[in-house]
Amino acid sequence: DTGVSQNPRHKITKRGQNVTFRCDPISEHNRLYWYRQTLGQGPEFLTYFQNEAQLEKSRLLSDRFSAERPKGSFSTLEIQRTEQGDSAMYLCASSKDPGPTYEQYFGPGTRLTVT
Amino acid sequence: AQSVTQLGSHVSVSEGALVLLRCNYSSSVPPYLFWYVQYPNQGLQLLLKYTSAATLVKGINGFEAEFKKSETSFHLTKPSAHMSDAAEYFCAVSALGGGADGLTFGKGTHLIIQP
Repeated sequence: DTGVSQNPRHKITKRGQNVTFRCDPISEHNRLYWYRQTLGQGPEFLTYFQNEAQLEKSRLLSDRFSAERPKGSFSTLEIQRTEQGDSAMYLCASSKDPGPTYEQYFGPGTRLTVT
Repeated sequence: AQSVTQLGSHVSVSEGALVLLRCNYSSSVPPYLFWYVQYPNQGLQLLLKYTSAATLVKGINGFEAEFKKSETSFHLTKPSAHMSDAAEYFCAVSALGGGADGLTFGKGTHLIIQP
């Protein structure tokens, strides 16, 4: 069990550019989540996958955001035409199905700075 | 819909003193409740969770929390604070079985330990 990994850890981009982040969940975790955390705030839920199916999207996820999880393994989060308001820490988490042992394990995050 | 309120954005205690971080939740279905800790520039680490078993939950690093349905509370305590406890603490709720699966976080409480 190597934990949830995210790449890159830091990304600086210019306004209007597209960026893509990758998340590798803990193996055998069928659920994968994306959150956004801005300075001084708690994480905000963006979307989640059960296997390869994207089951829920937050209203925070504008049409510039898209997430995929091909084959139910790693996931990518793409932001098109970035805006300064997109600057935040993007967190990924994974879990098994709900039950008494349910918990979400978080990765270290990708910090995005839009200049 | 779920929500979490953490009373006090900053809490300061002396080393060796009792730590009490407050969390109140709102959920339309029986909730799962969590406390996470976040150290600077790191991801979130689970301290403890309530998943409808025992109402008094013990976690890592000497922390515990008690689920009180009548008060809709899940306050986090530690009998004796240590300098290493200085961090940001987040309470979160999940309404598993109620449709939404992403965690809803509070705004966080910054714990300061005075020597």
